[in-house]
Amino acid sequence: GEDVEQSLFLSVREGDSSVINCTYTDSSSTYLYWYKQEPGAGLQLLTYIFSNMDMKQDQRLTVLLNKKDKHLSLRIADTQTGDSAIYFCAENAGTYKYIFGTGTRLKVLA
Amino acid sequence: EAEVAQSPRYKITEKSQAVAFWCDPISGHATLYWYRQILGQGPELLVQFQDESVVDDSQLPKDRFSAERLKGVDSTLKIQPAELGDSAMYLCASSSLTEAFFGQGTRLTVV
Repeated sequence: GEDVEQSLFLSVREGDSSVINCTYTDSSSTYLYWYKQEPGAGLQLLTYIFSNMDMKQDQRLTVLLNKKDKHLSLRIADTQTGDSAIYFCAENAGTYKYIFGTGTRLKVLA
Repeated sequence: EAEVAQSPRYKITEKSQAVAFWCDPISGHATLYWYRQILGQGPELLVQFQDESVVDDSQLPKDRFSAERLKGVDSTLKIQPAELGDSAMYLCASSSLTEAFFGQGTRLTVV
């Protein structure tokens, strides 16, 4: 079946790196995504990675994919207070169907 | 910059009343989704359209929920009658081949 799991909370100090982890179950997923959600708002696409890649870097964001272990991570370098939000991992489980995790609430301490 | 438009942003309704949400996807996106997000949880797919056709509505409570996308562009999600447990954020998204973009959502409160 399809299932995406994330830890619920992460707290870091401003300026440190944040690493948010995700595990998924559908090995046929073609793309894997990270979305950011601020309070009361919709989901903002941050980045995504194609399943044949191991790593993707986009400014302060680094995505690592371990396809063997079905593990995805998002590293945010130099974390700022504006990065405080809920981060969702999602897999594209074929036929363009997106399955989301429960979200990781990131709190950045000044 | 192209965006997914949703209205209204907020809706308060009494239980047993009817309520409707509207979504206008990014121009050219054939795939449109309605998701429901309960507070503290991730979005769950209610219905997926490809053009005007329903691709997946397996999680849509069809006794009270309906969705349509008559001309393959904008879409309406309706709940009738609303129940207290329907209180949630209703998110619309549209996708290209590789990326799905979300609207700001409609927060529904049923009292």
